[in-house]
Amino acid sequence: KAGVTQTPRYLIKTRGQQVTLSCSPISGHRSVSWYQQTPGQGLQFLFEYFSETQRNKGNFPGRFSGRQFSNSRSEMNVSTLELGDSALYLCASSLRMGEQYFGPGTRLTVT
Amino acid sequence: EDKVVQSPLSLVVHEGDTVTLNCSYEVTNFRSLLWYKQEKKAPTFLFMLTSSGIEKKSGRLSSILDKKELFSILNITATQTGDSAIYLCADMDSNYQLIWGAGTKLIIKP
Repeated sequence: KAGVTQTPRYLIKTRGQQVTLSCSPISGHRSVSWYQQTPGQGLQFLFEYFSETQRNKGNFPGRFSGRQFSNSRSEMNVSTLELGDSALYLCASSLRMGEQYFGPGTRLTVT
Repeated sequence: EDKVVQSPLSLVVHEGDTVTLNCSYEVTNFRSLLWYKQEKKAPTFLFMLTSSGIEKKSGRLSSILDKKELFSILNITATQTGDSAIYLCADMDSNYQLIWGAGTKLIIKP
């Protein structure tokens, strides 16, 4: 089975712009979670989608949003980018609660 | 506020040594504790522990959970350079949300 894929792998944006990241889960996995990872903060949970519904949400401002499509693919959007949004954004899909399979991540740099 | 604390934050040992990584948690309505290994980018799943005192084992790696004392340990015996990675533990709460520790950076010297 193909693993979790994320696009793009690298992205450079300017403050104030918006960005959309994409995640395709492993076939058959209906749950998709998004994380932000920075050296100082570790893995921070953004949100989780299951069957097109947001099931859980972390403590991030409203500039961070997401959605899931009927084929379980998910997108994450960040509006009005700030320098502090520079991070590795990881997506993970799961079939069984807790056992998550991570994609390679999208490295976002905000200048 | 729920939290997961890992120790040590970093560890350097020589090949062949045995290491023990620690994870303590304070989570309301605990469900399970999970261990992941992160080498370059994506963390990979190692173990999920739900019951106290039952050891999970995979090759040279093993892990056990103590729900009374609220901690888990991950043991790696006969370490190899390929074991160098960041080891993450996470707790799953009643909403199935994972709360992650900061990780232990393990470096194995040849």
